[in-house]
Amino acid sequence: GQSLEQPSEVTAVEGAIVQINCTYQTSGFYGLSWYQQHDGGAPTFLSYNALDGLEETGRFSSFLSRSDSYGYLLLQELQMKDSASYFCAVTGGSYIPTFGRGTSLIVHP
Amino acid sequence: DAGVIQSPRHEVTEMGQEVTLRCKPISGHDYLFWYRQTMMRGLELLIYFNNNVPIDDSGMPEDRFSAKMPNASFSTLKIQPSEPRDSAVYFCASSLAQGGGVYFGAGTRLSVL
Repeated sequence: GQSLEQPSEVTAVEGAIVQINCTYQTSGFYGLSWYQQHDGGAPTFLSYNALDGLEETGRFSSFLSRSDSYGYLLLQELQMKDSASYFCAVTGGSYIPTFGRGTSLIVHP
Repeated sequence: DAGVIQSPRHEVTEMGQEVTLRCKPISGHDYLFWYRQTMMRGLELLIYFNNNVPIDDSGMPEDRFSAKMPNASFSTLKIQPSEPRDSAVYFCASSLAQGGGVYFGAGTRLSVL
């Protein structure tokens, strides 16, 4: 089976940098992905890491270490609009992603 | 592409009624997923299809739930009869076979009274 752990809540101030960690257990691994979901909205795909290392997309970066079964999402220059829930998801042997419970990010002015 | 399209966006019904949720996936995507999201249980995978074929429906809560995908551009999730505990947001999503991201529709917010 597959399981993931991520913090339930993270708070930060506008302009700061925040890191949301995700550890996973899976039999077979294809990739780790991240999603953003605002209240009342749908999850939106942010990034996908299949190989070790850091992937950067604008203010957001995602990191993967397959040997540690660990990844993180890094958000820089935080803005109020970044307040949302962030989900990591691990894709195992069947190409089917399993989602974590999500991390609620609260950005304060 | 317009993305994954779901209808209706909101559905309010009475206990015992039949509910049908509809989904049009992104053209060219091989996988279609139905998820349910609640505060208590988070994002649950109900069923998924590969090339229109149901592969795993182990997440479907009961026989009251059924899903079909008659062609590559359309899927339905049906609840009959509906119960108050079915109240949730139901998402349809699609993805390519090669992995990568899953793309979600806007969801259907279902309230069963």
